[in-house]
Formats: sequence, structure tokens, C-alpha cells
Amino acid sequence: DGGITQSPKYLFRKEGQNVTLSCEQNLNHDAMYWYRQDPGQGLRLIYYSQIVNDFQKGDIAEGYSVSREKKESFPLTVTSAQKNPTAFYLCASSIGRKNWPQHFGDGTRLSIL
Amino acid sequence: SQQGEEDPQALSIQEGENATMNCSYKTSINNLQWYRQNSGRGLVHLILIRSNEREKHSGRLRVTLDTSKKSSSLLITASRAADTASYFCATGVTGNQFYFGTGTSLTVIP
Repeated sequence: DGGITQSPKYLFRKEGQNVTLSCEQNLNHDAMYWYRQDPGQGLRLIYYSQIVNDFQKGDIAEGYSVSREKKESFPLTVTSAQKNPTAFYLCASSIGRKNWPQHFGDGTRLSIL
Repeated sequence: SQQGEEDPQALSIQEGENATMNCSYKTSINNLQWYRQNSGRGLVHLILIRSNEREKHSGRLRVTLDTSKKSSSLLITASRAADTASYFCATGVTGNQFYFGTGTSLTVIP
């Protein structure tokens, strides 16, 4: 089955700690995205990548970092500089043509200890 | 912010009734898409309407787009309990980015 896998489903971060959220897709999609969702709100774009070894900041990139070394993988690191990291994080991918529909993973819920 | 706004924020209807939710946005778009999100899950794509289209149907879904008013509506006919979810509009803009609205929470009462 093709799809997007996010892990872990739940993650806890201590003060001053960096944590990495995993996102893997086997859809052969070129574009990948990371969004943050806060309770009762829509999705806000953190980072996106159109091709391997290239990525761009979204609206709320501060305190986050990404890499895109392989087409299938787009991990997100939440650094200690992100002072309010508690949220639901969603990874998505798409073919990469002009605003083609996105496929989403089932998210990682990050909380502060 | 280029984020869209959905209206109403919450909607509760009886099974079998129709549900209508609206989306307004601020910038020029390539297309507009609607997604559904069940509680604690990822989003699922429902339907896409291009900027040069005015109406589109898919099963029990009907989407309209008015680019002059920068607005769209999603109609779900003959609703079912399984339609209970949050619904988001997403505008596709230059650079292959998407801007999501704030969502409408739909509850269908059996």
C-alpha cells in the first residue's frame, strides 16, 4: 500500500531538547510539506521541499529545521529555539505539479514535559 | 496572512439533511481544494476546483467557486453520521504552496 508514514504518533520533549519527527513516503512524490496544527485552527506551513536537497521556509519556520537527502524522507527537527512546540504536526506529499492534491500522514502529537 | 476563513466554525445537522460550508480567501489562486479531517487523523483530499471552473460535483459533494468574490462553498447532500469531521479549504498558489482555512467542524446526528 502506498502512503505516508509519520512516527512516532506521540512525542514528548523536555526543556532545551531537540526532537526529530519522521516522515516517509512511498508514493514517489517529488514535493513534501510539514504543517503545524494548533487546536481549533487550520494548518500552517513550516517547510516544504520540491525536490531532493532543496527546501524552502514556510510561514512559521523559526525554531524548526529540515533535510531532504532522499526523495522518500523529509524529517523535521523541532529545536530548543521553538518556545511553544506543543502542537499536532502533519506531513504531506504531492506529485509536485502545480498545486496537485496532497496526501497526508496521520500526524505526530508533540507535547512538552 | 493568506489563510482562508471557513464559515460557520461549527455545524450540527440531522442525518439526511444537507450541509453547506463556505470558504473565503484573500489572494489569487491556481485552484481551491477541500479536505476532510477525522479527529486525530491526517487530512484526506475530497475535491479540487480550478480557478477557471465555477462548479464541480463528486458523488454527494458539490463545490462552487466565485473568483470575483474570492469565495467557495462545499455542499454535502444527504449527510450521514460518517460525514462527521472537520472540513478545510486549501488554496493553491504560486510556488506550489497551499494555504489552509481555519476549518468547519461538522457533526451529523444519527
